Amino acid sequence: AQSVTQLGSHVSVSEGALVLLRCNYSSSVPPYLFWYVQYPNQGLQLLLKYTSAATLVKGINGFEAEFKKSETSFHLTKPSAHMSDAAEYFCALSSGGYNKLIFGAGTRLAVHP
Amino acid sequence: EAQVTQNPRYLITVTGKKLTVTCSQNMNHEYMSWYRQDPGLGLRQIYYSMNVEVTDKGDVPEGYKVSRKEKRNFPLILESPSPNQTSLYFCASSLRAQDTQYFGPGTRLTVL
Repeated sequence: AQSVTQLGSHVSVSEGALVLLRCNYSSSVPPYLFWYVQYPNQGLQLLLKYTSAATLVKGINGFEAEFKKSETSFHLTKPSAHMSDAAEYFCALSSGGYNKLIFGAGTRLAVHP
Repeated sequence: EAQVTQNPRYLITVTGKKLTVTCSQNMNHEYMSWYRQDPGLGLRQIYYSMNVEVTDKGDVPEGYKVSRKEKRNFPLILESPSPNQTSLYFCASSLRAQDTQYFGPGTRLTVL
């Protein structure tokens, strides 16, 4: 069965510190992997996606993620957090040719001065 | 502007009163989906549609119906809402099956 696990429902960092949000997946076929961000009272916005090309994927707002098949991970990082990064982040998996995203439970990122 | 729209954005209703949440996209996308978001569970797919008149169940379809009579519209129907359907609902669309999905702004539904 396919699944996505996000380690840590809440992460708190200082402004300017490294952001690391963890995502592990389980899939019997090569997956497409996504990170979405949800700001308060808004829909989901795509940050970046992995589709079997380069393993290091760069997204918007300075975020990037590295696909590691051996670790079944797709962790999201940003070198320096900004106050505007405070939001909820979702890792998601799509595979098998179906129009379904399997989401992790989400990680709420707080950024403090 | 390319977008997915949903209406209403907020809805409070009572148990058993039929309701419809509309979803429309202007990107000529083939695929459309409905998800519900609940705390600690992320988003779970309710139904999806691959084209006009072609729909299929997602992971949590019980208590919901959908239809796809036009390519741009994909309404979600709750024929007899119950309190356990209180949730935040998102419609999404994509050009192909595993392409990036574009999400609407969400509909917050409360069933009393």
